[in-house]
Amino acid sequence: NAGVTQTPKFQVLKTGQSMTLQCAQDMNHEYMSWYRQDPGMGLRLIHYSVGAGITDQGEVPNGYNVSRSTTEDFPLRLLSAAPSQTSVYFCASTLRGGAYNSPLHFGNGTRLTVT
Amino acid sequence: AQSVSQHNHHVILSEAASLELGCNYSYGGTVNLFWYVQYPGQHLQLLLKYFSGDPLVKGIKGFEAEFIKSKFSFNLRKPSVQWSDTAEYFCAVFAPGTGSQGNLIFGKGTKLSVKP
Repeated sequence: NAGVTQTPKFQVLKTGQSMTLQCAQDMNHEYMSWYRQDPGMGLRLIHYSVGAGITDQGEVPNGYNVSRSTTEDFPLRLLSAAPSQTSVYFCASTLRGGAYNSPLHFGNGTRLTVT
Repeated sequence: AQSVSQHNHHVILSEAASLELGCNYSYGGTVNLFWYVQYPGQHLQLLLKYFSGDPLVKGIKGFEAEFIKSKFSFNLRKPSVQWSDTAEYFCAVFAPGTGSQGNLIFGKGTKLSVKP
C-alpha cells in the first residue's frame, strides 16, 4: 500500500519554465489537495478536489492549475514558474473532505527551487 | 474566515522537560481539531484529533491535548519530552458546515527542539 506518492522529490526550474508536479494515491480517497509550505507560513492550501472532475481554489491558487480526471491522480501545474513559487509542495488526501475520521494522508513532498 | 494561531514559533527544551504548545482558533461554532507533527525531512503525520466528547484527547507517543471551548483553545501537552520529539508541530481546524468545502486550516507551526 503506497499511500500518497509525489514525484519528483526535487526540482530546479528557471523563471518562466513550466512543469507538472505529480500526485497519486491508491486508497480510493475522494478528497485530494495541494499545499505549499514556506518557513514561518505553515501550510497554505493551493487547490483541492472533492472528487474526480471537481476542483476548486484554495488560499493561494495564483500561478497554479490542477485537474482531476481520475480518482487516483491530482497533478499540479506551474504554467510559468516564478521565484516566489520556490517552496516545498505537499499533496494530501483523505476519504472525504469534511469528514476527517480518517486522517489527512500526506505525500513526502516536492522541494521546488525557481531561479 | 477561520484562522488558527500558534503562539510560539520555536520552543527549545531539555529532555524530560514538560511541553505545552498553544493553539487558538477563531471560529465560534462546532469545530474538529487536529495536531499534526512533521519530523525533520518527513511529511506531516496525525498526532491526535478531537471531534466531540471528552475534551482531553490522547494521541500517539504520549501526547495529549485539551479542548477548552470557552477559550477557543486546543493546546498540546507532553509530560516529559524526548530528543526524538524534535519536530515541527501544526495545529489544524475544520469547521463543518461553514462552506469551507472540507478544508483543514493549518496554523503556522511551532518548531520544537529538544536538547539531549
